[in-house]
Amino acid sequence: GAVVSQHPSWVICKSGTSVKIECRSLDFQATTMFWYRQFPKQSLMLMATSNEGSKATYEQGVEKDKFLINHASLTLSTLTVTSAHPEDSSFYICSATRGTAFSGANVLTFGAGSRLTVL
Amino acid sequence: DAKTTQPPSMDCAEGRAANLPCNHSTISGNEYVYWYRQIHSQGPQYIIHGLKNNETNEMASLIITEDRKSSTLILPHATLRDTAVYYCIAPDTGRRALTFGSGTRLQVQP
Repeated sequence: GAVVSQHPSWVICKSGTSVKIECRSLDFQATTMFWYRQFPKQSLMLMATSNEGSKATYEQGVEKDKFLINHASLTLSTLTVTSAHPEDSSFYICSATRGTAFSGANVLTFGAGSRLTVL
Repeated sequence: DAKTTQPPSMDCAEGRAANLPCNHSTISGNEYVYWYRQIHSQGPQYIIHGLKNNETNEMASLIITEDRKSSTLILPHATLRDTAVYYCIAPDTGRRALTFGSGTRLQVQP
């Protein structure tokens, strides 16, 4: 089955530093990956859509200069939280699918998540 | 995405069947219903999805009403490891991401 790997699984950093989170599709190619954020006791919120070879598409209210997304290959997308602050502390989750849209044949596979704590 | 409504929480005894309902009365004819679950501090896990017919896999069964306005996820023999938040999602056809609602927090009791 499809496997999505995230690294690191948890990270602690000082305020003002940048943190990079990697998302890899291990056994399939993904032209599109998605990044979600989840605060405690809340549901997942879609942050952005990562497109291989092109710019990411950000959801309304998500700062593209703060959350840099790079999708350099068909199996790797990275999310960099720049100049992190305590309010950026959250659970970041990536996902990917083989297909390009939901038509019943596609399943979105999620990574295990990366917990970011900014001190 | 079609709006889905789920009860915020449910309890189930270990070994018994867990029946999780979902209302999606505005679903259109070609929109699938997907079920995912999220165990604490993990990424969501795919369970099952369907369009019209009932579906079954090694994890669960999905019963969709004939009018497709609601569905029920059935975990036939719930275990403590099934304690999680269960999400019912009906994404727009052509949409590429999933939108998560509040889900149902299932607590399996020993």
